Amino acid sequence: KNQVEQSPQSLIILEGKNCTLQCNYTVSPFSNLRWYKQDTGRGPVSLTIMTFSENTKSNGRYTATLDADTKQSSLHITASQLSDSASYICVVSARGYSTLTFGKGTMLLVSP
Amino acid sequence: EADIYQTPRYLVIGTGKKITLECSQTMGHDKMYWYQQDPGMELHLIHYSYGVNSTEKGDLSSESTVSRIRTEHFPLTLESARPSHTSQYLCASSDHRLKEKLFFGSGTQLSVL
Repeated sequence: KNQVEQSPQSLIILEGKNCTLQCNYTVSPFSNLRWYKQDTGRGPVSLTIMTFSENTKSNGRYTATLDADTKQSSLHITASQLSDSASYICVVSARGYSTLTFGKGTMLLVSP
Repeated sequence: EADIYQTPRYLVIGTGKKITLECSQTMGHDKMYWYQQDPGMELHLIHYSYGVNSTEKGDLSSESTVSRIRTEHFPLTLESARPSHTSQYLCASSDHRLKEKLFFGSGTQLSVL
């Protein structure tokens, strides 16, 4: 069964600090991996999409990494801001399938 | 910002009522989706469409129905709402030129009393 596991479930950090969120998946055959940011009460917004051949992709202060051999991805947030407080969702697409497998997300709270 | 709109944002209704959740996008995307999300849980696909007159059921069993008469419009209908339908409903569309990157609406929070 295709699964996406994210850790930690929740995280509190001080404003200005860095943090790293983890995503492990068992989706096969792998097509691409996405990270989304979801503010409370809003729809998710895409941060990055990585295919098998890409192992790093950045979007401003967000940097995602992918290790397709170990089926792990991480999202690193640099110099966190209060507006980074949100749920971060890892989503994996399987090649040849129309649906995506979503993780439950990591809830990040950036404290002043 | 994505050009995909959902109405209403919030809806509180009684059991047995028929409701339609509206979703429209102005990006010309062929593929559209409806997801259901409960607090702290992952998104579950309930319906999707590859284009006009195309609709498919998703992974999560749902008592709702959808239609796709126009490219830009993908409404979801519940014929008889029940308290178990209380959830957040998210509409999305995707762009094949961007590896099917999903663009989400702001969601409809439905409460059935």
